[in-house]
Amino acid sequence: AQRVTQPEKLLSVFKGAPVELKCNYSYSGSPELFWYVQYSRQRLQLLLRHISRESIKGFTADLNKGETSFHLKKPFAQEEDSAMYYCALLYGNKLVFGAGTILRVKS
Amino acid sequence: DVKVTQSSRYLVKRTGEKVFLECVQDMDHENMFWYRQDPGLGLRLIYFSYDVKMKEKGDIPEGYSVSREKKERFSLILESASTNQTSMYLCASSRNAVGYEQYFGPGTRLTVT
Repeated sequence: AQRVTQPEKLLSVFKGAPVELKCNYSYSGSPELFWYVQYSRQRLQLLLRHISRESIKGFTADLNKGETSFHLKKPFAQEEDSAMYYCALLYGNKLVFGAGTILRVKS
Repeated sequence: DVKVTQSSRYLVKRTGEKVFLECVQDMDHENMFWYRQDPGLGLRLIYFSYDVKMKEKGDIPEGYSVSREKKERFSLILESASTNQTSMYLCASSRNAVGYEQYFGPGTRLTVT
């Protein structure tokens, strides 16, 4: 069955440190994956999608089919990156979300 | 600007009450979705609709029903609210298009006492 796993409930880093939010998926087909972000008191919004191969707010994510992973990375964390991050897999016309990881960037 | 609105930000209801949560989008999107958001469980799909009067069950439809009479409006109904339905409810919409971004509403925090 299709599944998205985010193993960390909370990731706490210092400002300027590298960030990696882990995401693993289970899917038999060719996956289409996304990262969504929810800042405090804001609505959930799309951060990036793997098919675009883009960098948004300094974040990148590479699809690794061998490891079935889509980890989100940023070389230097900023305080404004503190938020809840969800990894999601497209299945038909639905999204399957992971449990989410809270990122806290400390000054 | 893309807009998905939900009828209430906060709602308090008693056990056994019938509860209506309304969602409206102004983007002419075909697809609309209702999710529950719970700590440690992420977003779980309750129901979705890909067209007017069409609906499909998501992962956790028990205790819920939905209605989509107009393209822009998708309602979630709790026939008899229970305390385990206390949660944050998110509505979303999307087009049938490559790239497939879902646009979310601000959420309704429902407390059932």
